[in-house]
Amino acid sequence: DVKVTQSSRYLVKRTGEKVFLECVQDMDHENMFWYRQDPGLGLRLIYFSYDVKMKEKGDIPEGYSVSREKKERFSLILESASTNQTSMYLCASSYPLVGAQDEQFFGPGTRLTVL
Amino acid sequence: QKEVEQNSGPLSVPEGAIASLNCTYSDRVSQSFFWYRQYSGKSPELIMSIYSNGDKEDGRFTAQLNKASQYVSLLIRDSQPSDSATYLCAVPDNYGQNFVFGPGTRLSVLP
Repeated sequence: DVKVTQSSRYLVKRTGEKVFLECVQDMDHENMFWYRQDPGLGLRLIYFSYDVKMKEKGDIPEGYSVSREKKERFSLILESASTNQTSMYLCASSYPLVGAQDEQFFGPGTRLTVL
Repeated sequence: QKEVEQNSGPLSVPEGAIASLNCTYSDRVSQSFFWYRQYSGKSPELIMSIYSNGDKEDGRFTAQLNKASQYVSLLIRDSQPSDSATYLCAVPDNYGQNFVFGPGTRLSVLP
């Protein structure tokens, strides 16, 4: 079975801290994604990567950066955490959507609270 | 930018009834469609995918696709309280690299 793991289920940080969220997948997927999910706003794509060292901005990249040094690992970085970044963060991975027949597999999520 | 729309709900049905969840999408290029289920506090999990017009059945779940009308639905027969969750519709974007998710429909199955 595909497994996508995230480094923390719950995280509490203070405003201005640098925050690292780690995601690891074990299925050799090329594509990896970071979303945030907020009540009433649905899933919003922050960044995605379709190859090592490649990254693409999603819909809401401001205040975030990412790193993909190895195929299996995709990190989300909050350079200076702010209270409006309090949210559920979801990592996902997939094969390239060739023929658009491949699903995204999600990690368990990290609930981040910024005080 | 492709758009995916769903009624946010909540949709309430009695136990044993058929729940019908609907999704519309904005372009005629989309070829495949995915339904995810998300329990409160959990991450989304895939329950159905459909690529061809018509119906696709998997146990109590049936996905229905009408590409001409740009409409995909999910029917849940014999609804159970354990089906209470938010159901997300997803469509690959125009580049085939990412999904566009709808806002989700919250389903509540009442015992």
